[in-house]
Amino acid sequence: DIQMTQSPSTLSASVGDRITITCRASQSVSSWLAWYQQKPGKAPKLLLSGASDLQSGVPSRFSGSGYGTEFTLTISSLQPDDSATYYCQQYNIHSSFGQGTKLEIK
Amino acid sequence: EVQLLESGGGLVQPGGSLRLSCAASRFSFSSSAMSWVRQAPGKGLEWVSGIGASNTNTYYADSVKGRFTVSRDNSKNTLYLQMHNLNPGDTAVYYCARETSSASCCDALDIWGQGTVVTVSS
Repeated sequence: DIQMTQSPSTLSASVGDRITITCRASQSVSSWLAWYQQKPGKAPKLLLSGASDLQSGVPSRFSGSGYGTEFTLTISSLQPDDSATYYCQQYNIHSSFGQGTKLEIK
Repeated sequence: EVQLLESGGGLVQPGGSLRLSCAASRFSFSSSAMSWVRQAPGKGLEWVSGIGASNTNTYYADSVKGRFTVSRDNSKNTLYLQMHNLNPGDTAVYYCARETSSASCCDALDIWGQGTVVTVSS
């Protein structure tokens, strides 16, 4: 099984800040990497797939990069609505998720 | 509106069985690979199982292999998850989700249901 590790586990930042969340895979997943946003009591929402392809309707302040075993999700200018938990998912071999990063807006 | 609607959750005793359903609407269900993902209380997401569009390829996480069976009825636009020998560790919200590719598992998940709660307890 491919293990996905996110860092940090929690993050506190202010409106307008630029933040980065890292996701590392235990073996290469090529570009088969997605990012999700989940708010309390809601289903996850797909933000990016293919490591860097933004889904339709997702604000352009979200971006992704990486290949192989190391990936990043960047939010260029934090908004209050970005408060959520973010998960990475590999889908190179079956599927598995990172443990999540809880983002708090100060 | 594109929609997935899960049902069938509930309280079951350890060792018991349960079948979850996921009804799809307003998209081509028969052309879509599907997955089940669960989330234990206060925990992260765990992929459980996937199935190709044509029902011929199925995939499972090691934690459920041999106990859970995924299937689909394309004539009814419905996905199923049959769960046997349940234990407290299976307690979670179970989501069904559509994969972005029509091929067999696995891919990014672009449409999610609202989830159904399964509680395994005596």
